[in-house]
Amino acid sequence: DAGITQSPRHKVTETGTPVTLRCHQTENHRYMYWYRQDPGHGLRLIHYSYGVKDTDKGEVSDGYSVSRSKTEDFLLTLESATSSQTSVYFCAIRQSTGEKLFFGSGTQLSVL
Amino acid sequence: GQQVMQIPQYQHVQEGEDFTTYCNSSTTLSNIQWYKQRPGGHPVFLIQLVKSGEVKKQKRLTFQFGEAKKNSSLHITATQTTDVGTYFCAGPGEYGNKLVFGAGTILRVKS
Repeated sequence: DAGITQSPRHKVTETGTPVTLRCHQTENHRYMYWYRQDPGHGLRLIHYSYGVKDTDKGEVSDGYSVSRSKTEDFLLTLESATSSQTSVYFCAIRQSTGEKLFFGSGTQLSVL
Repeated sequence: GQQVMQIPQYQHVQEGEDFTTYCNSSTTLSNIQWYKQRPGGHPVFLIQLVKSGEVKKQKRLTFQFGEAKKNSSLHITATQTTDVGTYFCAGPGEYGNKLVFGAGTILRVKS
């Protein structure tokens, strides 16, 4: 599983509250990604990182921010959660020597 | 922006029947990747195709990359219940650091 841990695995929160999801990797990979998965939409990229403090937006970045202060941790924050952000969130890493992604186990987020 | 379209969205087959999912990109791709996600699980990399017209096989799975490098297919021969899941294709984004996924094809197999 490429040493990827996502936390929490499940979270229920209320509209308007801040939420932070954590992705932790143990293998020092440079590239890290946050995707959300929704029925009929597949996996859509939210943000990604190509190094410590180096991040860029994906196709559905509105309402989300990220931070990467250490190589091993990539945090995804919903500043004020909305019901449209109810989804399954996957973190992924890419090894420098290849192009394939390795995914974490996902976080099921429900915003009520 | 780049789009990756995948059809069908859903297919329900009898065990032993064949299955095919198709992937089309709005732009030429340097490579295409396929992933499988079991129900309740996370996507797992299956294969990467790089060359125009490339065909690769993994047991009962056959992957093809189109001559124009804008389309791809995954064919499963004689499906089994273990093939159940969602199959995604994905191609590099505009600047190569991102991977753009199709919406996926959900495969259900009746035994």
